[in-house]
Amino acid sequence: EVQLQESGPGLVKPSQSLSLTCSVTGYSITSNYWGWIRKFPGNKMEWMGYISYSGSTSYNPSLKSRISITRDTSKNQFFLQLNSVTTEDTATYYCARRMVADYWGQGVMVTVSS
Amino acid sequence: DVQMTQSLSYLAASPGESVSISCKASKSISNYLAWYQQKPGEAYKLLIYSGSTLQSGTPSRFSGSGSGTDFTLTIRSLEPEDFGLYYCQQYYEKPLTFGSGTKLEIK
Repeated sequence: EVQLQESGPGLVKPSQSLSLTCSVTGYSITSNYWGWIRKFPGNKMEWMGYISYSGSTSYNPSLKSRISITRDTSKNQFFLQLNSVTTEDTATYYCARRMVADYWGQGVMVTVSS
Repeated sequence: DVQMTQSLSYLAASPGESVSISCKASKSISNYLAWYQQKPGEAYKLLIYSGSTLQSGTPSRFSGSGSGTDFTLTIRSLEPEDFGLYYCQQYYEKPLTFGSGTKLEIK
């Protein structure tokens, strides 16, 4: 069974970088597309971007200058880095498989606060 | 960006009733629309894609319809476990965008 699990710090200071890991079991990340999605307080959802089976990436233009999605195929993990965070980046972050997301992680809540 | 509008943010219905949740796109997205369910403490669940195709494991009481700009998720004969948040998402073009969500509460 495909399973995804996010991990990372739950608290990040403003202006710092947010770094999250998505660990995938039951399926190789060298197949398919792997993305990050976030849900803000109040339920608004935002697609952040993805990394493909080949390692190519696509990002939401609203984040393009701050976001990086990378991967470690040997560990079957992919990563999110979001730079220069502000309080507006406070959200629950999810990793998911495919653009029509058929498998999701449980999510990790990240608060940006000093 | 394609704006997705779910006009109803909250809906309450009794078991056995049927409900419909609407989703409107700001431009035509053909049938590139998915529906998701989120329940507290559980991972998001993909219910429907391509506007009307049930994902494996989705109960047959769920159905999706529409194309172009107007879409509907219908749940026939509500079960108590159908409570939760429902989102539509377009994948016609990037950036992918979501509706604002409809919270379904079971009376």
